[in-house]
Amino acid sequence: NAGVTQTPKFQVLKTGQSMTLQCAQDMNHNSMYWYRQDPGMGLRLIYYSASEGTTDKGEVPNGYNVSRLNKREFSLRLESAAPSQTSVYFCASTDPFRGPNVLTFGAGSRLTVL
Amino acid sequence: DQQVKQNSPSLSVQEGRISILNCDYTNSMFDYFLWYKKYPAEGPTFLISISSIKDKNEDGRFTVFLNKSAKHLSLHIVPSQPGDSAVYFCAARGWSGSARQLTFGSGTQLTVLP
Repeated sequence: NAGVTQTPKFQVLKTGQSMTLQCAQDMNHNSMYWYRQDPGMGLRLIYYSASEGTTDKGEVPNGYNVSRLNKREFSLRLESAAPSQTSVYFCASTDPFRGPNVLTFGAGSRLTVL
Repeated sequence: DQQVKQNSPSLSVQEGRISILNCDYTNSMFDYFLWYKKYPAEGPTFLISISSIKDKNEDGRFTVFLNKSAKHLSLHIVPSQPGDSAVYFCAARGWSGSARQLTFGSGTQLTVLP
């Protein structure tokens, strides 16, 4: 019973490098989300995908791109990493039958940009 | 401008006593409120929620109270147990663009002392 799986768990990048965070869910959820968590800031929405084939910007989309590859997978790409993108990233998905916006989160990906 | 605020970064409580975690919000259009719990190195997990048309929701040891006139919600944990030690996030649901989104508070670290 995997739920939401994120890879990698840890990554260190140099400024300007690119990378992709992968997320997959096995719960047949339609909606998927990417959040970042910074100290004192809570969780802020980067991008979301309400259903397969659609993506929309959240509160802090600058510097990121996303791809909803299929119903299971939703990836987050940093094209040119900056130190301000040092954060813990969480992928989440929702099941509308559990209640409004009850998100199931992955374990997180800790990214450090030097 | 943080629409959802948790003003206490930390709270310590003795085992068996009541824990009260507080959350304030500014947007009167929020229609649903949720609490999530987060252990270190894990993703947040859903705990309890309340609709804006209710003023109380109870689930075992956890009760959420909503005071709409004061734009305030609180989570009561009775009795508190050491396993409750975690970061607690409140979240509020509102419209952003064409979809409902969750806005999270910055979290409160609860420590239950044995």
